[in-house]
Amino acid sequence: DVKVTQSSRYLVKRTGEKVFLECVQDMDHENMFWYRQDPGLGLRLIYFSYDVKMKEKGDIPEGYSVSREKKERFSLILESASTNQTSMYLCASIDLRGEGYTFGSGTRLTVV
Amino acid sequence: KQEVTQIPAALSVPEGENLVLNCSFTDSAIYNLQWFRQDPGKGLTSLLLIQSSQREQTSGRLNASLDKSSGRSTLYIAASQPGDSATYLCADPFSSGSARQLTFGSGTQLTVLP
Repeated sequence: DVKVTQSSRYLVKRTGEKVFLECVQDMDHENMFWYRQDPGLGLRLIYFSYDVKMKEKGDIPEGYSVSREKKERFSLILESASTNQTSMYLCASIDLRGEGYTFGSGTRLTVV
Repeated sequence: KQEVTQIPAALSVPEGENLVLNCSFTDSAIYNLQWFRQDPGKGLTSLLLIQSSQREQTSGRLNASLDKSSGRSTLYIAASQPGDSATYLCADPFSSGSARQLTFGSGTQLTVLP
């Protein structure tokens, strides 16, 4: 089974801190994604990457950046955390042969 | 841009009932359709993936169908159990426009009462 692993289930950070959310997948997928999920707003795409060092903005990239130095790892960076970035963050990867998306278990980030 | 709608937003049924969750999409040029389950505070678990050449997929008590001509997919759950309580999301894994995005429906929150 494909595994997408997010390094932390829960994080609490202070306003202004630089925050790194890590995601690793073990099936050599080219495409990886970061979403955030908020009540009433559903899942919104932040950034995605279709290859090493390649990235594209999603629907809500403001306040975030990403890094993809290795194929298996896709990092989401909050340059200066703010309280409105308190959310559930979900990482996903996809098998382009058509096997669908696989999601990680999520990181619940609280910015205080 | 693809839009995906799920009805109802919430559903409560007694244990043992068969039920149907609905998903509709606006762009029939759909590649695949994927159904997910999400438990509170957790990530998404893939349930079924229907590829565009298929009409349905089955896994245990779950059956998902895809009708591209009408822009609809349904998830049928047989003999529901309290453990089926969760939010169910459908998604188009290959939306039109920007490549490789995933367009989600808003989800159906299912509660199965013991």
